[in-house]
Amino acid sequence: AQRVTQPEKLLSVFKGAPVELKCNYSYSGSPELFWYVQYSRQRLQLLLRHISRESIKGFTADLNKGETSFHLKKPFAQEEDSAMYYCALRETSGSRLTFGEGTQLTVNP
Amino acid sequence: NAGVTQTPKFRVLKTGQSMTLLCAQDMNHEYMYWYRQDPGMGLRLIHYSVGEGTTAKGEVPDGYNVSRLKKQNFLLGLESAAPSQTSVYFCASRRTSGGAYEQYFGPGTRLTVT
Repeated sequence: AQRVTQPEKLLSVFKGAPVELKCNYSYSGSPELFWYVQYSRQRLQLLLRHISRESIKGFTADLNKGETSFHLKKPFAQEEDSAMYYCALRETSGSRLTFGEGTQLTVNP
Repeated sequence: NAGVTQTPKFRVLKTGQSMTLLCAQDMNHEYMYWYRQDPGMGLRLIHYSVGEGTTAKGEVPDGYNVSRLKKQNFLLGLESAAPSQTSVYFCASRRTSGGAYEQYFGPGTRLTVT
């Protein structure tokens, strides 16, 4: 069965510092990986997906199949980045997502 | 468009009571999902539906039942609530095909079982 692991429950950085939220997965097929974000008092929303190879709000994530990882990175964190971040995996052509445990990011002024 | 809405927003139940959570979407999406969110455990899928009249079990289905009588609504029922079901419940929906895969989430229902 597929599994998504986010090893850090809490991550705290200062404004302007680089930030990396880790995500590792186990899945024997070819997965599709996502990052979802939940800002305070807002609903969960898609941040980015690996197949788009996009940068959203300065965040990027690269799928590393060799290391089975999909870490989320931003070179200069902002206070408004403070939120709960979830990594999620979709099986090949699957209808479901498997979520990681989540990482609460706090960016201090 | 309201997107995905959930009713109620908050609820407190006593052990053994029953209740139904309603999820509604106005995007004509085929797929709908119910998750529970618990600290340190992320989002776990309870049940989901791939279309009107169909439902399937997710990762943690025990103690819950669902129904999808209308395409736009997905109901989650607790027949006999237990303290272990204290959680925040999220509903989500997505379209079947066309475009990139994305689930759209509701605002959540915070349930406390005492």
